[in-house]
Amino acid sequence: DIVMTQSPDSLAVSLGERATINCKSSQSVLYSSYNQNYLAWYQQKPGQPPKLLIYWASTRESGVPDRFSGGGSGTDFTLTISSLQAEDVAVYYCQQYYSTPLTFGGGTKVEIK
Amino acid sequence: EVQLLESGGVLVQPGGSLRLSCAASGFSFSSYAMSWVRQAPGKGLEWVSGISGSGGSTYYADSVKGRFTISRDSSDNTLYLQMTSLRAEDTAVYYCAKDRERAVVSPKSFQHWGQGTVVTVSS
Repeated sequence: DIVMTQSPDSLAVSLGERATINCKSSQSVLYSSYNQNYLAWYQQKPGQPPKLLIYWASTRESGVPDRFSGGGSGTDFTLTISSLQAEDVAVYYCQQYYSTPLTFGGGTKVEIK
Repeated sequence: EVQLLESGGVLVQPGGSLRLSCAASGFSFSSYAMSWVRQAPGKGLEWVSGISGSGGSTYYADSVKGRFTISRDSSDNTLYLQMTSLRAEDTAVYYCAKDRERAVVSPKSFQHWGQGTVVTVSS
């Protein structure tokens, strides 16, 4: 199974500042035939189901603000919130879909400093 | 508008059985892989099981393999999860999730989620 490790566990950032979340996979999730990284990011607010933010590691889902961006390749990935807004307070998860069983990172809680 | 409505979550004793349902609407149900994802109280997300659009291919997490069975009925656009030999560690909110991509066999990323149904395993 591919193990997904996120860091940090929690993050406090001032409004308008940048937040960066890291995600590392235990093996590459880059499918070389398609040159695509099988990696997604989700946002989950309290009492709500997760919401898809990013897929293919860097493609923003429709309707997601452009302050959210995904990067990285192979085994190391980042989710960046360029200018943190109050509504971005949530837990963020990475997920690999390179192989089953699909696996999620442990989550990163983002709060306002 | 895509809608996923889970039901069937209850309090059940260890060793018991339960069937969860997810009623889907607003999309071509048989064209998309579907999955169940769970979240234990205060914990992270855990993918449980997935099924291809045709229902011909199924996938399971090691933690539930041999105990849970995923299925789907395209005649009424419903996804199921049959759960047997339930354990305390199966206690969680169970979400039904629709794949983002059409016509893929194995589950990938999840574009739409239900609100979840609560399963509690306790004596």
